[in-house]
Amino acid sequence: QLQLQESGPGLMKPSETLSLTCTVSGGSIGSSSYFWGWIRQPPGKGLEWIGNIYYSGSTYYNPSLKSRLTMSIDTSKNQFSLNVSSVTAADTAVYYCARSVPTYYYGSGSYGRHDFWGQGTLVTVSS
Amino acid sequence: DIQMTQSPLSLSASVGDRVTITCRASQSIRTYLNWYQQKPGKAPTLLIYGASTLEGGVPSRFSGSGSGTDFTLTISTLQPEDFATYYCQQSYSTSWTFGQGTKVDIK
Repeated sequence: QLQLQESGPGLMKPSETLSLTCTVSGGSIGSSSYFWGWIRQPPGKGLEWIGNIYYSGSTYYNPSLKSRLTMSIDTSKNQFSLNVSSVTAADTAVYYCARSVPTYYYGSGSYGRHDFWGQGTLVTVSS
Repeated sequence: DIQMTQSPLSLSASVGDRVTITCRASQSIRTYLNWYQQKPGKAPTLLIYGASTLEGGVPSRFSGSGSGTDFTLTISTLQPEDFATYYCQQSYSTSWTFGQGTKVDIK
């Protein structure tokens, strides 16, 4: 069974760079069949899609966050990572990593979706 | 960006009720629409993808329909374990977006 586990700092200060890692077990992150994604949820609020990364390193970001985001992937460690620069209190959230089935419009087609999720890790930004 | 708007944002229902949640996209997304269920303190789980295809293991009382801009999630007979928050998500564009969520609680 595929499992994903987020790890991160827990507490950080404004203006710092948030670094999160998702470790995948039970499957290879180097599969060409999937993307790997990040989603966040501020306390008591809804889900916000952050972005997807492909095993090749291709990335797709939320335009509203794009200027502060960097996603990377390390197939040798079966991990992928998220960096968010210049954090503020508004970045306080539970951050989830997830496996993303990609969207393909042609051929046999595929509906993009997050089919496996990590348990989430709370990141609090406070001075 | 494609905006996703859910309604209602909350509803109260009783066990055995039929529940319908709607999701509207700001432009056509064909059938690239997913539904997730989230219970307090837990990660979301995928219920439906492609607007109407049930994810494996999801009870058949859940169903989805729609195409273009208007979609619905229906729970035919609400069970105690269905009290949760439900989110729609579009995956038509390269930047995916979620709706605001609909909280279903006990009347």
